[in-house]
Amino acid sequence: EPEVTQTPSHQVTQMGQEVILRCVPISNHLYFYWYRQILGQKVEFLVSFYNNEISEKSEIFDDQFSVERPDGSNFTLKIRSTKLEDSAMYFCATYGQGDGYTFGSGTRLTVV
Amino acid sequence: GENVEQHPSTLSVQEGDSAVIKCTYSDSASNYFPWYKQELGKGPQLIIDIRSNVGEKKDQRIAVTLNKTAKHFSLHITETQPEDSAVYFCAASPPGGFKTIFGAGTRLFVKA
Repeated sequence: EPEVTQTPSHQVTQMGQEVILRCVPISNHLYFYWYRQILGQKVEFLVSFYNNEISEKSEIFDDQFSVERPDGSNFTLKIRSTKLEDSAMYFCATYGQGDGYTFGSGTRLTVV
Repeated sequence: GENVEQHPSTLSVQEGDSAVIKCTYSDSASNYFPWYKQELGKGPQLIIDIRSNVGEKKDQRIAVTLNKTAKHFSLHITETQPEDSAVYFCAASPPGGFKTIFGAGTRLFVKA
């Protein structure tokens, strides 16, 4: 069964540092997403990406966040200057016609 | 903005009993309603979904109903088993697939 792969599974970073979270989408999916889940809370939409550009973003996705597909396969989320409140699980998801949404297993980001 | 309300937040049932989780959504344009199961330390896994042109869908012990007029949809799990214990999230998505709004989740405990 096709999978969405996320790396790393766990990232610890100092406050103020930049982090890049990586995702390998399912190959024939065209819509890509990042979601965030603070421990014990609901899954929150961050951003959607289609046709090499952001199609929609939430209020959480401010200037500190960016996404790109640097090589046509990986889909990355960058946080430029991490804050303590950025600590959460970050899920990449992809959407394909007939498959629906498929989530990766997440990256646990801990900002210290 | 768009919102999805989910109830109850916690549900405890005896093995073999049925479990029902209910959601309401605010965006009348939503036309895709997935349900996800999230086990500890894992990403959400799609278990069933329904589109707005269908009132009910069933897959073995799991069924989902949709009332578009009332903007309600529900998940029904029959003959529950201990391995059904997890957090279940409902979600609603508008046409275009760009954004999915999640409910707050229901923690289901199935007691053996």
